Amino acid sequence: DAKTTQPTSMDCAEGRAANLPCNHSTISGNEYVYWYRQIHSQGPQYIIHGLKNNETNEMASLIITEDRKSSTLILPHATLRDTAVYYCIVRVVPGGGADGLTFGKGTHLIIQP
Amino acid sequence: DTGVSQDPRHKITKRGQNVTFRCDPISEHNRLYWYRQTLGQGPEFLTYFQNEAQLEKSRLLSDRFSAERPKGSFSTLEIQRTEQGDSAMYLCASKLAGLETQYFGPGTRLLVL
Repeated sequence: DAKTTQPTSMDCAEGRAANLPCNHSTISGNEYVYWYRQIHSQGPQYIIHGLKNNETNEMASLIITEDRKSSTLILPHATLRDTAVYYCIVRVVPGGGADGLTFGKGTHLIIQP
Repeated sequence: DTGVSQDPRHKITKRGQNVTFRCDPISEHNRLYWYRQTLGQGPEFLTYFQNEAQLEKSRLLSDRFSAERPKGSFSTLEIQRTEQGDSAMYLCASKLAGLETQYFGPGTRLLVL
């Protein structure tokens, strides 16, 4: 799986959009970008994934650059409950993949009241 | 609550003792994963099962570690002759093969004194 680079930490004001960047410059054509988050003392939680088109669900939006070397996770209206470590993961084949997930250190997002 | 439960939630043991953790996945999920997470790091994949078959083991899974899923439902992870370096959070996740989202349990936090 390709390596990802994320900032160690970020702050965001409550109610504002939180934009979390991820660099994956060595991504291959068949690798997808996934985002998980881990709230303190809980297990990781799936957020969203995509290949090359932008994706949106009830939790977040994922914007992937045209060259696919970087992406941004957007939480449109951050709340205090969004304070967590956010992991960007690159891997091959959604669904059919047998391997476990490869997590980096992630970005610690702190939502300020 | 994701529907994945782990027991116990916390375990303190002395070096050299054996410990066993249990994971109960979401009932219809045929894949079950074990991860280990140390302080300040993302989770690291250890092993996974499809039904009762253990299909992959990470090199992190030393000979002192053994995992089972005897009837394709719950799983156990045993650590023999614990060492202080085994202190970590042990996470379990499950999913349906063919679908992407892994659902994580709350983890078992192990402290080896």
